[in-house]
Amino acid sequence: AQSVAQPEDQVNVAEGNPLTVKCTYSVSGNPYLFWYVQYPNRGLQFLLKYITGDNLVKGSYGFEAEFNKSQTSFHLKKPSALVSDSALYFCAVRDTGGGNKLTFGTGTQLKVEL
Amino acid sequence: NAGVMQNPRHLVRRRGQEARLRCSPMKGHSHVYWYRQLPEEGLKFMVYLQKENIIDESGMPKERFSAEFPKEGPSILRIQQVVRGDSAAYFCASSPRGQGETQYFGPGTRLLVL
Repeated sequence: AQSVAQPEDQVNVAEGNPLTVKCTYSVSGNPYLFWYVQYPNRGLQFLLKYITGDNLVKGSYGFEAEFNKSQTSFHLKKPSALVSDSALYFCAVRDTGGGNKLTFGTGTQLKVEL
Repeated sequence: NAGVMQNPRHLVRRRGQEARLRCSPMKGHSHVYWYRQLPEEGLKFMVYLQKENIIDESGMPKERFSAEFPKEGPSILRIQQVVRGDSAAYFCASSPRGQGETQYFGPGTRLLVL
């Protein structure tokens, strides 16, 4: 069975600084990986995904993520954080067993301070 | 183009009552997924449906929970005889097709069982 780990419950960063939110995965076969963001009392918004191709994936709102097969990681990054980026971020991996369900990590709370 | 619609946004039930949660997918999407988010946890997959078919219900509790996606109308997640442990946020997602497609999430229904 596939799994996703987000080792940090919370990440704090100053506005204007680069941010990284970590994600590692475990899956048999080629992974389909996703990042979503959740604002308070809202649904999840899709940021980006990796299916195949270039290891650096660019997504919405200036976010990007780097797929690293040898380290089984898919860290989310942004060169310059904004206060409005403060939210809960989820990494997810798609089922490789023929279905389409997503397995989510436990989430990382990002706090960007002035 | 409206996104995924869920109603009600908030639902309060007493123990033993029934809860019905509705989800209308994005226009042109024929695949629907239900996830549950318990307090302080990530999202857990419950069920994956296409029109008139349940594709994967591996995450559904064996009793009291059922889901449908009829030919006409929204998808319904039904919880019979609710218990306090059912209190959670229930999210619906949709995709145009299955394999590898991005799932787009609705705002969720927050169920509180008294």
